[in-house]
Amino acid sequence: EVQVLESGGGLVQPGNSLKLSCATSGFTFSTAWMHWYRQFPEKRLEWVARIKAKSNNYANDYTESVKGRFTISRDDSKSSIYLQMNNLKEEDTAIYYCVRPDFWGPGTMVTVSS
Amino acid sequence: DVVMTQTPPSLSVAIGQSVSISCKSSQSLVASDKKTYLNWLLQSPGRSPKRLIYQVSKLDSGVPDRFSGSGSEKDFTLKISRVEAEDLGVYYCLQGTHLPRTFGGGTKLELK
Repeated sequence: EVQVLESGGGLVQPGNSLKLSCATSGFTFSTAWMHWYRQFPEKRLEWVARIKAKSNNYANDYTESVKGRFTISRDDSKSSIYLQMNNLKEEDTAIYYCVRPDFWGPGTMVTVSS
Repeated sequence: DVVMTQTPPSLSVAIGQSVSISCKSSQSLVASDKKTYLNWLLQSPGRSPKRLIYQVSKLDSGVPDRFSGSGSEKDFTLKISRVEAEDLGVYYCLQGTHLPRTFGGGTKLELK
């Protein structure tokens, strides 16, 4: 059974950092391209970042609004991906989902507020 | 960015009724490998999104065949035949051909 579970969300002040984790199981993680998506309070969904597999040199891509601030990474030995979020802004407030393209985790809430 | 225009924004249906949702993209979604990466997702109340259909018309495992997807290039449709109570929620189209991936605005399916 495929399982995906995010963690690391919370309340943080603008300008601060947060690192999200996503633990997975039930599938061959090392070959999977993994994504982070987010859902804003008004329910709009947005793709955030993608990381490819080792065979693709772990190439990654980001949506424009997070480039230079967010970093996606993975640890194949732990079947996990991460999202390092720096210089957070209030507009980053959202539920963050870890996604294998056909399977979404339950999400973790990130609130950026002073 | 590819703009995904989804209509209608809401639908009020009776159980057993059939409905269709439209999704139009601002650019062709045919990729260099000739595949079309158009997905449909359902977000049930209080839940995370769940993918129902990928590559326009392929059903994910466990998805009832009451769901069907069709379309090509820039014009796509999700059809639900014989709506059941478990089908209620917000439907989103998502294009995976171009980066950044982009979503339609959603269609809320409610009970009449």
